[in-house]
Amino acid sequence: AQSVTQLGSHVSVSEGALVLLRCNYSSSVPPYLFWYVQYPNQGLQLLLKYTTGATLVKGINGFEAEFKKSETSFHLTKPSAHMSDAAEYFCAVISIKAAGNKLTFGGGTRVLVKP
Amino acid sequence: EAQVTQNPRYLITVTGKKLTVTCSQNMNHEYMSWYRQDPGLGLRQIYYSMNVEVTDKGDVPEGYKVSRKEKRNFPLILESPSPNQTSLYFCASSTQSGLLRGTEAFFGQGTRLTVV
Repeated sequence: AQSVTQLGSHVSVSEGALVLLRCNYSSSVPPYLFWYVQYPNQGLQLLLKYTTGATLVKGINGFEAEFKKSETSFHLTKPSAHMSDAAEYFCAVISIKAAGNKLTFGGGTRVLVKP
Repeated sequence: EAQVTQNPRYLITVTGKKLTVTCSQNMNHEYMSWYRQDPGLGLRQIYYSMNVEVTDKGDVPEGYKVSRKEKRNFPLILESPSPNQTSLYFCASSTQSGLLRGTEAFFGQGTRLTVV
């Protein structure tokens, strides 16, 4: 079974500082990996994804993530935090099964940005 | 505008009173799914549907039912709600091939359910 672990349920960063959100996955096959963001009182929005090809992927709002197969990781970073980045972030992996496919999510990391 | 629409957005109900949360998508997606979101647990899949009349259990199906009579609609039914079903619920849709290729899933705005 595939699973996703996000280290740290809450992260606090200062405005302008680096944002680093950690995600590790387990998968028996090459994974499709995603980061979603959830702003207060809203649904989930795709930030970026890795399917195949370049292991460093860039997303919206200045975020990027690097797929490291040897470390089974897909950490999300942003060089300089902005107040508007305050949200909850979810790492997810697609599980491809004969009976059906699904997204498996990590527990989420809530980001607080301090002025 | 492409969207997934859930109703209601907020619902407070009493234990045992049947309720339905509706979900509709206008993108002609084959794949639809329901998740519940609880603090520290992320989103857990309740049920999913690969196409019309094809549904299957996700990770936490107990206490829930779904139906897929039409491609665009995927209602979530709680026959006898209990307080442990208090949660934030999300409906999502995607193309079947898109899910295989890693195309994103589209999410509704969420339904916050409180069972007292």
